Amino acid sequence: AQSVTQLDSQVPVFEEAPVELRCNYSSSVSVYLFWYVQYPNQGLQLLLKYLSGSTLVKGINGFEAEFNKSQTSFHLRKPSVHISDTAEYFCAVSEEAAGNKLTFGGGTRVLVKP
Amino acid sequence: ETGVTQSPTHLIKTRGQQVTLRCSSQSGHNTVSWYQQALGQGPQFIFQYYREEENGRGNFPPRFSGLQFPNYSSELNVNALELDDSALYLCASSMGLAGYTGELFFGEGSRLTVL
Repeated sequence: AQSVTQLDSQVPVFEEAPVELRCNYSSSVSVYLFWYVQYPNQGLQLLLKYLSGSTLVKGINGFEAEFNKSQTSFHLRKPSVHISDTAEYFCAVSEEAAGNKLTFGGGTRVLVKP
Repeated sequence: ETGVTQSPTHLIKTRGQQVTLRCSSQSGHNTVSWYQQALGQGPQFIFQYYREEENGRGNFPPRFSGLQFPNYSSELNVNALELDDSALYLCASSMGLAGYTGELFFGEGSRLTVL
């Protein structure tokens, strides 16, 4: 069975500072990896995904993530955050053979301070 | 293009009651998945419907059931409600199963409170 661990439940960061959100996963088979963002009182929106190819993936709103197979990690980064990036971020994994079923981590709440 | 819509947005039930949540998938999508998001946690997969058939189920008891209709809209039914069923229920739609597309489109959810 697959699992996802987000090591930080909450990350406070100042505006225009960089941020990194950590995600580790476990699975016995090949996986697809995702980061979703959830703004208050809204559903989830896809930030970026890794399916294959280049391990550095660029997403929307200036976010990027790097897939590291040996460390089973998929950390999310942004070089300069804005107040509007305040939200909850979820890392998720899907096994290639499992269709669209996603296993989510517990989430990381990012609070951007002015 | 119409996004995923869910109804109702909020509802309150008491223990033992039954609830039905509804979801209209995004135009052109034939697959609907349901997730439960308890407060402060990540979403958990309940089940998925593809072309009106259940296709995959998570670790949820049989009192959680669903339907998908010919227009690909879907319902989630929960019988004999328990306090722990209080959560945000998210519906997500996608196009197909084979060759995973990589993206689910989520609705804003139905927040269920069980008293």
